[in-house]
Amino acid sequence: GENVEQHPSTLSVQEGDSAVIKCTYSDSASNYFPWYKQELGKGPQLIIDIRSNVGEKKDQRIAVTLNKTAKHFSLHITETQPEDSAVYFCAAIRGGGSYIPTFGRGTSLIVHP
Amino acid sequence: NAGVTQTPKFQVLKTGQSMTLQCAQDMNHNSMYWYRQDPGMGLRLIYYSASEGTTDKGEVPNGYNVSRLNKREFSLRLESAAPSQTSVYFCASTDRDRTNEKLFFGSGTQLSVL
Repeated sequence: GENVEQHPSTLSVQEGDSAVIKCTYSDSASNYFPWYKQELGKGPQLIIDIRSNVGEKKDQRIAVTLNKTAKHFSLHITETQPEDSAVYFCAAIRGGGSYIPTFGRGTSLIVHP
Repeated sequence: NAGVTQTPKFQVLKTGQSMTLQCAQDMNHNSMYWYRQDPGMGLRLIYYSASEGTTDKGEVPNGYNVSRLNKREFSLRLESAAPSQTSVYFCASTDRDRTNEKLFFGSGTQLSVL
């Protein structure tokens, strides 16, 4: 089955800095890569996603890049703000058949004011 | 617009007790999932239901059973709770038939087994 590795497990930055979280996946048949943000006491929520036919996608301060050859994808947050503090999960989903998201172990992002 | 509703939010059990976690979605989604979240382990899939009437094991199914009662509801049962099942449980749903493959999560059930 799919295996998703996520790094780092904890990331501490100053407000205004950039943050980068990286994930690698094992199944070359995976073709959809979403990122979820989980705030304290809540369920994860989708913040951005990318499909395998695209190399980069951007939404305001958030961007995701995908290198299909190397099987890795990254989340980039620019101009971080305290409200960006949360746990972030990457996931990979295989195309066709059952829709089964496999999640990374999560990154706890702390943005210091 | 409730989305995915989980009950209860908190539960404390003694070892050997049984309980059922309830999940309902009002978005007419076909697929529903149960995940557990443990520190440093991320979200691990317990069981999923690709459509009404079907259920399949995920990565960590031992000690759990599920029922897809109808299209809206997907319950998770612990027949004989063990301390290793202390975790936060999340139900999620999605509808692959549309262009949006977003997973919608409930707010979670925090379970402690003593």
